[in-house]
Amino acid sequence: DIQMTQSPSSLSASVGDRVTITCRASQGISNSLAWYQQKPGKAPKLLLYAASRLESGVPSRFSGSGSGTDYTLTISSLQPEDFATYYCQQYYSTPSITFGQGTRLEIK
Amino acid sequence: QVQLVQSGAEVKKPGSSVKVSCKASGGTFSSYAISWVRQAPGQGLEWMGGIIPIFGTANYAQKFQGRVTITADESTSTAYMELSSLRSEDTAVYYCARVGYSGYDYYWYFDLWGRGTLVTVSS
Repeated sequence: DIQMTQSPSSLSASVGDRVTITCRASQGISNSLAWYQQKPGKAPKLLLYAASRLESGVPSRFSGSGSGTDYTLTISSLQPEDFATYYCQQYYSTPSITFGQGTRLEIK
Repeated sequence: QVQLVQSGAEVKKPGSSVKVSCKASGGTFSSYAISWVRQAPGQGLEWMGGIIPIFGTANYAQKFQGRVTITADESTSTAYMELSSLRSEDTAVYYCARVGYSGYDYYWYFDLWGRGTLVTVSS
C-alpha cells in the first residue's frame, strides 16, 4: 500500500493566518490526491481533488498544489469555521486507497 | 438534492456480524460507485472497500479481505456493508461515501458522505 504522511500532526493558528499542511506519499501518485475537512461528530467534507481542483461550493481561500510524492493544502486566511481536522487521501493505487493520519488545526 | 442515508447505530457481540445500509435519495444510483470508510474513536479514516453497482463488482482493502462484503441493490438504491467476526477493535463509525464520477470514469475520491453509523462491539 502507498503510505501517506501528513505534517504537522497538529497546528495552532489564529484567524487571518495563512496555513499550509503537507502530505507526502511513499511513491508517486500523479496528482491523484484529495483533501478533506472533518469537524467533530461530522462526516468528512471534500475540499479538493486531483491535487488542486476545488470542489464546488468550497471557498477559494482553500488551495492545493504539488506533484509526484509531495502535496500541500493551503488556507490563505483562516476563518473561525476552518478549525477542524484535515486529511489527505491518495486514489492513485485503486483499490488500495489510503488516507493520511490527519492534521488537527486548532485556534491559538 | 442527493443524500446518502445510513441505518442506525448497532451494538454487537464479539464474533457476530453487522450489516449497515446506505440508501441514496435523488440522483442516478446506477451510475454511482459507493465506498465504505470507517473511523475508530479518536482515530483517522480507513478505507474498507467499494462497489460499482452497475458492474456489480466490489473491491476490498487487503486488511478486510474475507471479513467484509459490500453489495448493492439498484432496485432500492441501497448499498450494504457487512462485517463479520466482529472484535472490539471494530468499534467505529462506518461511513458510506460516493465515489467521484466524471461521466466517463470513476475517480476514487469521495464527494458525498453519509452521516455515519456507529457500530459498538462489546460483550
